[in-house]
Amino acid sequence: GDSVTQMEGPVTLSEEACLTINCTYTATGYPSLFWYVQYPGEGLQLLLKATKADDKGSNKGFEATYRKETTSFHLEKGSVQVSDSAVYFCALSKLSGGSNYKLTFGKGTLLTVNP
Amino acid sequence: DGGITQSPKYLFRKEGQNVTLSCEQNLNHDAMYWYRQDPGQGLRLIYYSQIVNDFQKGDIAEGYSVSREKKESFPLTVTSAQKNPTAFYLCASAYTSSGNTIYFGEGSWLTVV
Repeated sequence: GDSVTQMEGPVTLSEEACLTINCTYTATGYPSLFWYVQYPGEGLQLLLKATKADDKGSNKGFEATYRKETTSFHLEKGSVQVSDSAVYFCALSKLSGGSNYKLTFGKGTLLTVNP
Repeated sequence: DGGITQSPKYLFRKEGQNVTLSCEQNLNHDAMYWYRQDPGQGLRLIYYSQIVNDFQKGDIAEGYSVSREKKESFPLTVTSAQKNPTAFYLCASAYTSSGNTIYFGEGSWLTVV
């Protein structure tokens, strides 16, 4: 079945450091790929998405490129802030029988940014 | 305001009791979903529904039930058959089309006491 594997955390960085959170997927067909962010005690918010190969999603300084040849969608940011501290989830969306679309999530990566 | 509303935010339940979590959306989305999140873990799909009066089991449906009588509502009942119900429950919705964003509610914390 479909699966998403993302970098195990926790990740601890100093403010202004570079961030990369690795995400790879296994799926047949042409899934759409997403990064969601979850702040403590809250639901998930969409951070960025890409719907086809070579698309780059970007938002709030974060970006990720849909690489079909390596089945990857790594999240990057050039300079992190304390306010970026959260859990980050990589996910894919694909047809799952008939006209049903399902999201499959990675396990999440906890990021802590220290001042 | 448009969005997904989950209630209650916090709920305590005694063992052996059923409890129903509410999820309402005014985004006119066709599809709705329920996920369970345990501390330090990812999300697992409980049930999902693409249209009114139809729903499918996800990966961990045992001990849960749902209904979809209206497009905007998708309540989840946690039954006494669910062996370990203490968790954070997230409702989500989306248009039924590839690449469409799935939006999440703020979640409901259920604690069995």
